[in-house]
Amino acid sequence: DAKTTQPNSMESNEEEPVHLPCNHSTISGTDYIHWYRQLPSQGPEYVIHGLTSNVNNRMASLAIAEDRKSSTLILHRATLRDAAVYYCILRWGPSGNTPLVFGKGTRLSVIA
Amino acid sequence: GAVVSQHPSWVICKSGTSVKIECRSLDFQATTMFWYRQFPKQSLMLMATSNEGSKATYEQGVEKDKFLINHASLTLSTLTVTSAHPEDSSFYICSVTRGQTGTEAFFGQGTRLTVV
Repeated sequence: DAKTTQPNSMESNEEEPVHLPCNHSTISGTDYIHWYRQLPSQGPEYVIHGLTSNVNNRMASLAIAEDRKSSTLILHRATLRDAAVYYCILRWGPSGNTPLVFGKGTRLSVIA
Repeated sequence: GAVVSQHPSWVICKSGTSVKIECRSLDFQATTMFWYRQFPKQSLMLMATSNEGSKATYEQGVEKDKFLINHASLTLSTLTVTSAHPEDSSFYICSVTRGQTGTEAFFGQGTRLTVV
């Protein structure tokens, strides 16, 4: 599986936007970029995913670089409930039955 | 609502006993489910891929005789930790996908196993 690189931790003030970066320089043309987050003592939760174009949903936005070697997860207004570990994962697209391989992720702290 | 139900949420067992964890896909039939293990302060580690109607595929270093996986129906996979020891204490998480190109994965809420 192609590797991703994320900062170990980030901090944000409540109600401010948060930009979580992810580098994936070895991404292949069929890899989807997935983001999940894990709150304490819970299973991971899907956030967003995309292939080439930027994506928006009710939780976040995903900005994908033109060369696809990096992406940024954007939380538009961080709340205390967004404090979690965020995982950027590449998933081979053609097979919907491949497992997700988790890296260390970014631990986001939100300050009130 | 929840797509995946995992039971129990937590369990404490004595060393040497066996523990069964259930993972149910509530929203769709899942021919494939995945089992992960997570130790404190660490990331999720894939243990095995559970295939409906056939043998599970285990990752390197995971003992198949210790972690028995049964995927007898399209909505249920079970993980049995046999002869549990304190070092098996961990957070176990299952995952399902729709099996379609480019779709997301869904996770259970996890099972905290403590072996005393």
